[in-house]
Amino acid sequence: GESVGLHLPTLSVQEGDNSIINCAYSNSASDYFIWYKQESGKGPQFIIDIRSNMDKRQGQRVTVLLNKTVKHLSLQIAATQPGDSAVYFCAENINSGNTPLVFGKGTRLSVIA
Amino acid sequence: SAVISQKPSRDICQRGTSLTIQCQVDSQVTMMFWYRQQPGQSLTLIATANQGSEATYESGFVIDKFPISRPNLTFSTLTVSNMSPEDSSIYLCSAILAGAAEQYFGPGTRLTVT
Repeated sequence: GESVGLHLPTLSVQEGDNSIINCAYSNSASDYFIWYKQESGKGPQFIIDIRSNMDKRQGQRVTVLLNKTVKHLSLQIAATQPGDSAVYFCAENINSGNTPLVFGKGTRLSVIA
Repeated sequence: SAVISQKPSRDICQRGTSLTIQCQVDSQVTMMFWYRQQPGQSLTLIATANQGSEATYESGFVIDKFPISRPNLTFSTLTVSNMSPEDSSIYLCSAILAGAAEQYFGPGTRLTVT
């Protein structure tokens, strides 16, 4: 399938290590944030979300941290696996989901076995 | 989560022609959107598809080039008109489900214009 993320920044991690993917968002009025994973030839897949009244949220092997002071979002993946290799996008919107998402630039995660 | 399907999954078209992409959601939906993703790039919003009325277009996108229909809550079409090679891209349908905030995406339509 067509490859996405050919020109995106790349993060390479060893299998089993933890990964941290960072994102600077643009709108101080944004109150809802989502991380997506996009594998080659597929649409973006929802990973985890967080609202602006929280600064941390955990899922299965993933944690999202939100720092509203500096408009920074991060996605932490524990014990990274080869199947985690993909392009990761952060996205933001205002009005808690009743408006379309605005996407960040994306980061390609490459897991080294 | 919802299942969002798109047709066609890919196409190769000649310049000057038009292609209509269909999007179907299997759950109740409040909002539907169309995005474009050019090779190696992030997603850019084209428009919000409004049921029974004209779509709301983002800056840089116009109805004559990207006409959109949404005849009911769960179905929408995007037409790429008078195509040029610059329109080669992935076109993605997206929806917010009723009672939820998450936005889900279809698999995309990969368009190549020669």
